Amino acid sequence: DTAVSQTPKYLVTQMGNDKSIKCEQNLGHDTMYWYKQDSKKFLKIMFSYNNKELIINETVPNRFSPKSPDKAHLNLHINSLELGDSAVYFCASSQVAGSYNEQFFGPGTRLTVL
Amino acid sequence: TQLLEQSPQFLSIQEGENLTVYCNSSSVFSSLQWYRQEPGEGPVLLVTVVTGGEVKKLKRLTFQFGDARKDSSLHITAAQPGDTGLYLCAGGRTSGSRLTFGEGTQLTVNP
Repeated sequence: DTAVSQTPKYLVTQMGNDKSIKCEQNLGHDTMYWYKQDSKKFLKIMFSYNNKELIINETVPNRFSPKSPDKAHLNLHINSLELGDSAVYFCASSQVAGSYNEQFFGPGTRLTVL
Repeated sequence: TQLLEQSPQFLSIQEGENLTVYCNSSSVFSSLQWYRQEPGEGPVLLVTVVTGGEVKKLKRLTFQFGDARKDSSLHITAAQPGDTGLYLCAGGRTSGSRLTFGEGTQLTVNP
């Protein structure tokens, strides 16, 4: 059974389009995250939700909008895609909010904006 | 601002060699985690250290948290090709769930 799953695995799209990435965890965790990993492999937090409530919102363009319909799902919608949005996006979850807790990562979604 | 610096960024060694990866910061962290990431996959936790001076061993991997909780090291003994991957350190603070990741060390162990 996959613990944290993301769809799609690959996403190729044109500049200006709107796209969504979905994430689901079956671990029963309370906290979920979105990270962006750039071409240099630097992993940066974008958002975090705890029990469907936004708790971390980094300096991310407001073209990015996360949505958590329930605590097992955290989706990421991106409007008006730009070339610089090309990256690998990782969803993660942890049992509770707290930096001591192990974060379980999904396999990533490689987004390419042409 | 990059708070955690890892060195080296790239490391290519022969099977059987020993290596050390460093994770340094000017800030104090309440916890330090090490993750390994393989191509096409997400990072997987190796260890969490929380006490200054703490040493943890995981088979051939030895992790140390600095006394001042500003730095950490990962030492691998007798590296094997299966150790190949991107090693990421991540610092956490007492309040909040945010982890700050280092830039990573790409390790290649050649047979």
